Amino acid sequence: GIQVEQSPPDLILQEGANSTLRCNFSDSVNNLQWFHQNPWGQLINLFYIPSGTKQNGRLSATTVATERYSLLYISSSQTTDSGVYFCAVENFGNEKLTFGTGTRLTIIP
Amino acid sequence: DARVTQTPRHKVTEMGQEVTMRCQPILGHNTVFWYRQTMMQGLELLAYFRNRAPLDDSGMPKDRFSAEMPDATLATLKIQPSEPRDSAVYFCASGLVRSGGYLPRDTGELFFGEGSRLTVL
Repeated sequence: GIQVEQSPPDLILQEGANSTLRCNFSDSVNNLQWFHQNPWGQLINLFYIPSGTKQNGRLSATTVATERYSLLYISSSQTTDSGVYFCAVENFGNEKLTFGTGTRLTIIP
Repeated sequence: DARVTQTPRHKVTEMGQEVTMRCQPILGHNTVFWYRQTMMQGLELLAYFRNRAPLDDSGMPKDRFSAEMPDATLATLKIQPSEPRDSAVYFCASGLVRSGGYLPRDTGELFFGEGSRLTVL
C-alpha cells in the first residue's frame, strides 16, 4: 500500500515562532488532508488539499502532487497549536485514507 | 452544528465482555470509517462503509470484531469477546464521496468524532 512519511517526528518551539511540517508519500494521490489532534485527543481536519495551496489564518498548506509531498506551515505559533499533526492520503482507486505517523508539535510559552 | 457523534466516550470492561461502540455520522454523508488509535500502531483503518454497504473490513480481526450500519444514522463496532490488547481509542469518521464527471472519486473531507476510549482489564 501507499507509504506516508512525516517529518520531523517531534518539534519544540517558542511561542511566536514559525514552523514547517512535511509529508512525503510514495504514490500518486487524489486526496490529501491535514489533521490536528489536540491534547484532548480530538482530530480536527485542517485542510483538504490534493494539490495546490490553501491558507486559513495562520495556517497554510501546499501540496506538490507531481513530487509527492505536502507542507504545512504554521506562522506565529500559539500554545493552542500544540498537539500532533497528521497527514493522510488516498491514492487512486483505493478510496480510503492512510495516515502518517504524525509530527508532535509542542509550543512553549 | 454538524458533527460526528460517538458513544460511549469512555468504557472500562473486563476481558471476555462484549463491547459495542456507536457512531452517528454527519447527516448527508455517505461514507463511514472506523479507525483505531494506539501508541504503537498509530491510526489504523478497521472498516468502512459507503451508502451503508461494507466496502472493506480487512483491517479488523474477523474472529472478534464486527461492524455494521443498520441505518444511515447509525454505525456500530462490536468486539466479542474483548481482550486487553483491544484497549485503544476508536474513532468514527464520516465523509461525502465525490464522484462523477471527469473527476476521480475520492472520499473528500473526513470529519472525526471525539472517539471512544476503551480499556479492557
